[in-house]
Amino acid sequence: DQQVKQNSPSLSVQEGRISILNCDYTNSMFDYFLWYKKYPAEGPTFLISISSIKDKNEDGRFTVFLNKSAKHLSLHIVPSQPGDSAVYFCAASGLGSARQLTFGSGTQLTVLP
Amino acid sequence: EADIYQTPRYLVIGTGKKITLECSQTMGHDKMYWYQQDPGMELHLIHYSYGVNSTEKGDLSSESTVSRIRTEHFPLTLESARPSHTSQYLCASSQDTQYFGPGTRLTVL
Repeated sequence: DQQVKQNSPSLSVQEGRISILNCDYTNSMFDYFLWYKKYPAEGPTFLISISSIKDKNEDGRFTVFLNKSAKHLSLHIVPSQPGDSAVYFCAASGLGSARQLTFGSGTQLTVLP
Repeated sequence: EADIYQTPRYLVIGTGKKITLECSQTMGHDKMYWYQQDPGMELHLIHYSYGVNSTEKGDLSSESTVSRIRTEHFPLTLESARPSHTSQYLCASSQDTQYFGPGTRLTVL
């Protein structure tokens, strides 16, 4: 039973346009959400996070939106750049002493020049 | 951002060999983690540690073992490697946000 789902395995966007990556979760105990970016043969790089007490968090070109009632979050990248091409993972954690993360299966973003 | 190091980056080894994947972090983080990831799939937690002398198994069953004798070091050991162990192994550490090392790509022939 996958508690964090990224239903789009891939997304292609034109350079300069907005990229929107989506993530759904089923566990209502999750209270902290993160997005990671991963290049092949490298470890994930932390991008941005959001706590369940907020509905939006922004950092430069990256904005994460959280809709708790729908158990849905999204990552907006604007403007998209070719260097943003990578696999993006959504992750969630709940209250727990080790703050274990549950990951989605990732979305491959390709930004076309 | 945490400095996390993993060695080796790539390892090709024969069935039955004992291997140890190294992970070190220089930020003094208490919590450390090992994940396993196959291409196109999510990361699965296989081991984690709250601190020195603390280790726990993660959600995904694994034949590997870990130890945490020093805060900065969290090695993972496979006593007898098999082809089913072929995967990418990712180490992370955190105080709050988890930061990842570059990973070890393991291939067992």
